[in-house]
Amino acid sequence: AQKVTQAQTEISVVEKEDVTLDCVYETRDTTYYLFWYKQPPSGELVFLIRRNSFDEQNEISGRYSWNFQKSTSSFNFTITASQVVDSAVYFCALSEATNLNAGGTSYGKLTFGQGTILTVHP
Amino acid sequence: DGGITQSPKYLFRKEGQNVTLSCEQNLNHDAMYWYRQDPGQGLRLIYYSQIVNDFQKGDIAEGYSVSREKKESFPLTVTSAQKNPTAFYLCASSLYWGYDEKLFFGSGTQLSVL
Repeated sequence: AQKVTQAQTEISVVEKEDVTLDCVYETRDTTYYLFWYKQPPSGELVFLIRRNSFDEQNEISGRYSWNFQKSTSSFNFTITASQVVDSAVYFCALSEATNLNAGGTSYGKLTFGQGTILTVHP
Repeated sequence: DGGITQSPKYLFRKEGQNVTLSCEQNLNHDAMYWYRQDPGQGLRLIYYSQIVNDFQKGDIAEGYSVSREKKESFPLTVTSAQKNPTAFYLCASSLYWGYDEKLFFGSGTQLSVL
């Protein structure tokens, strides 16, 4: 069964510090997707990134970067020069290609980690 | 602006009462989902719908029911059979049903028991 673990329940930093959010996953599948979502205080989750299992290139988007390592089953997320607006709950999620429902149809069940609460202080 | 609208933002349920959470999307997405979020836990899938007039149980469907009569609407009913309904409920949609699809979420409904 697929599983996602975000060991850091809460992280507190001061503005401008760099912070890394850890994500470790378990899957028996060779084809899967990994996601990061951000949940600000308003409640809705916002998509940040999607990475498939065949693409281990790291990605940078502004102050955000992601380090995907299949050897350690990790997909960590780093925020550089954190800002107060980065305060939110961050979720890592895994979707397997061959997950089957009762009817035998492949579907994309998303398994979420427990989330990491990030607080950035001014 | 396109998006997902959930209502109400806060809902209170009395013992033995059924309540319905509304979810409407104008993104023209085929697939819709209901998730439950409890403090300190990730999101858990209640029901999903790949296309209009179709829906399937997720991991924690007991005590819940849904309908998908229109493409843009996917209401969730929390029945009296759900013994621990207090949670934050999130509705989501995706362009189509697939393992690589990103989800778009509503702003959620907080359900509490009186």
